[in-house]
Amino acid sequence: NAGVTQTPKFQVLKTGQSMTLQCAQDMNHEYMSWYRQDPGMGLRLIHYSVGAGITDQGEVPNGYNVSRSTTEDFPLRLLSAAPSQTSVYFCASSLSGMRRDTQYFGPGTRLTVL
Amino acid sequence: AQKVTQAQTEISVVEKEDVTLDCVYETRDTTYYLFWYKQPPSGELVFLIRRNSFDEQNEISGRYSWNFQKSTSSFNFTITASQVVDSAVYFCAQNSGGSNYKLTFGKGTLLTVNP
Repeated sequence: NAGVTQTPKFQVLKTGQSMTLQCAQDMNHEYMSWYRQDPGMGLRLIHYSVGAGITDQGEVPNGYNVSRSTTEDFPLRLLSAAPSQTSVYFCASSLSGMRRDTQYFGPGTRLTVL
Repeated sequence: AQKVTQAQTEISVVEKEDVTLDCVYETRDTTYYLFWYKQPPSGELVFLIRRNSFDEQNEISGRYSWNFQKSTSSFNFTITASQVVDSAVYFCAQNSGGSNYKLTFGKGTLLTVNP
């Protein structure tokens, strides 16, 4: 049981490039989410999904796309990277997304956009 | 709107001192859950505790204890006899229930325990 895994751990992009951050979980969790962490800002929700085929926007969705074709995977796509997207990205999952469920986090991806 | 305030940006203590990390939350929900996470220097986020709004009993786990008081909307975290390995950023968080489930985080408190 690997929990929540994220790849890559580190990535450097040039402005305008696109890329996909990968997230997978093997706990059969219905709920998955993406957060970004910036200095002094805590964690902010980008997008979330309550099950395969269902996604919704969080607090800071602009510049990011997501899809959920399987229960296990929830990739985050940057279509045209900007320096403002330099951040640490965390993927998380929980059993059902109900308020009582604990979210478990992946190890994070540190992204730098030049 | 949900909000979590961690007023202490940084705390520095000497090993074996007790330290309390403050957390104040705002919510209109009557049912809600509160969480603490630890982020050590290695960067991962580690779940520490979950508390629901109907259970105001204090929780103790080894050197860690949590004090939940609805009257002051606070969920404070105390480390007794701190150790260097406790050095980390600690986040308090609460959920936003209903169909727009999301975890709202405070900005975190950086705890440094010096030998």
